[in-house]
Amino acid sequence: AQSVTQPDIHITVSEGASLELRCNYSYGATPYLFWYVQSPGQGLQLLLKYFSGDTLVQGIKGFEAEFKRSQSSFNLRKPSVHWSDAAEYFCAANMNTGFQKLVFGTGTRLLVSP
Amino acid sequence: ETGVTQSPTHLIKTRGQQVTLRCSSQSGHNTVSWYQQALGQGPQFIFQYYREEENGRGNFPPRFSGLQFPNYSSELNVNALELDDSALYLCASSLRLDQETQYFGPGTRLLVL
Repeated sequence: AQSVTQPDIHITVSEGASLELRCNYSYGATPYLFWYVQSPGQGLQLLLKYFSGDTLVQGIKGFEAEFKRSQSSFNLRKPSVHWSDAAEYFCAANMNTGFQKLVFGTGTRLLVSP
Repeated sequence: ETGVTQSPTHLIKTRGQQVTLRCSSQSGHNTVSWYQQALGQGPQFIFQYYREEENGRGNFPPRFSGLQFPNYSSELNVNALELDDSALYLCASSLRLDQETQYFGPGTRLLVL
């Protein structure tokens, strides 16, 4: 079955430290891949997306993600975390099967310590 | 350009009742999708509408139904509410059916007592 796995439920990072959030997908072929961020009480904001081409994609707020086909992974990174980055992060995939069904991981909650 | 908006922001219903949630797509977007996000979970796909027709459906029972209007706004209707229907309901729109990027609204939080 098609699935997206985010193995880390919670991650705590010190402000100014680097961040990597893990995402693995299980699909028959390479899906379209996305990272969204959700702040408390708010909807989902798109950080970045990968459709094809360059495997390192840049997003908003200084985030980037690297697609690795051999590992079925699409990890999100940021070189220096700010306190305002504390939120829930969701990885999602879409197989482009004729309709746009995003399959989400369970999310990773990022806590930023002073 | 306005983003995706949803109403109401919060709603409390009792088991067995019916509820209607509303969504206005981002300007120019003709495709809308609905997701259910239970507490502590990722969003789950309910269904998608394209030009007023249902275009795809997830694993939700028929008591979850929807409409899309000529102006591309949308409604999600849930009949015979159950306690497990308590969740955040998210609407997402995209520019075209073949446009893969979906833009989400702030959601409607539904509590079923």
